[in-house]
Amino acid sequence: SQKIEQNSEALNIQEGKTATLTCNYTNYSPAYLQWYRQDPGRGPVFLLLIRENEKEKRKERLKVTFDTTLKQSLFHITASQPADSATYLCALVTGGGNKLTFGTGTQLKVEL
Amino acid sequence: DAGVIQSPRHEVTEMGQEVTLRCKPISGHNSLFWYRQTMMRGLELLIYFNNNVPIDDSGMPEDRFSAKMPNASFSTLKIQPSEPRDSAVYFCASSFFGTFARSRDFPYQETQYFGPGTRLLVL
Repeated sequence: SQKIEQNSEALNIQEGKTATLTCNYTNYSPAYLQWYRQDPGRGPVFLLLIRENEKEKRKERLKVTFDTTLKQSLFHITASQPADSATYLCALVTGGGNKLTFGTGTQLKVEL
Repeated sequence: DAGVIQSPRHEVTEMGQEVTLRCKPISGHNSLFWYRQTMMRGLELLIYFNNNVPIDDSGMPEDRFSAKMPNASFSTLKIQPSEPRDSAVYFCASSFFGTFARSRDFPYQETQYFGPGTRLLVL
């Protein structure tokens, strides 16, 4: 069966450190992968997209890697801040359509 | 642009009642999605439309759920009759879709823009 797995346990890190979140998938061949941020009581907000033929994508303090052999994406936040505390969701699109399938999300807490 | 607009923001109803959720997508977007989010199951796609046409409704739980998109600027999700297990947050999202949206030069790709959600409680 198809699965998208993210760390189910919350990730707690200290301010200034690099946070690394993992997204693993099975039985998918995604054309691209996206990462979203969700704050309590709000809808998800798009952060980054990475295509199947791209290894790495950066945006300010954010970096995403995509390994189609390992079927894994890593999401990094460098110099983390308390304002980065949120739930982060990965999402895959497969085939020629535009249907996104979301992972369950990982809650990140950045402490002072 | 005001973003994706959903109404109502909160809905409390009794089991057996009809519930109608409304969504106005971002102007110019041609794809609309309805999701349901719970702690147990996460964010699940219920149905999506491209150019007002339903493409995939395999996520709709059962016949009690129905969705319509009569025009490019409005969609509804209806639950009739509602049950306590339908309690969740329902999100609507919109995006661009098409070969142009897959172009590396297109700034928006196929990213989805979510509304604030409707928090539904069925007693």
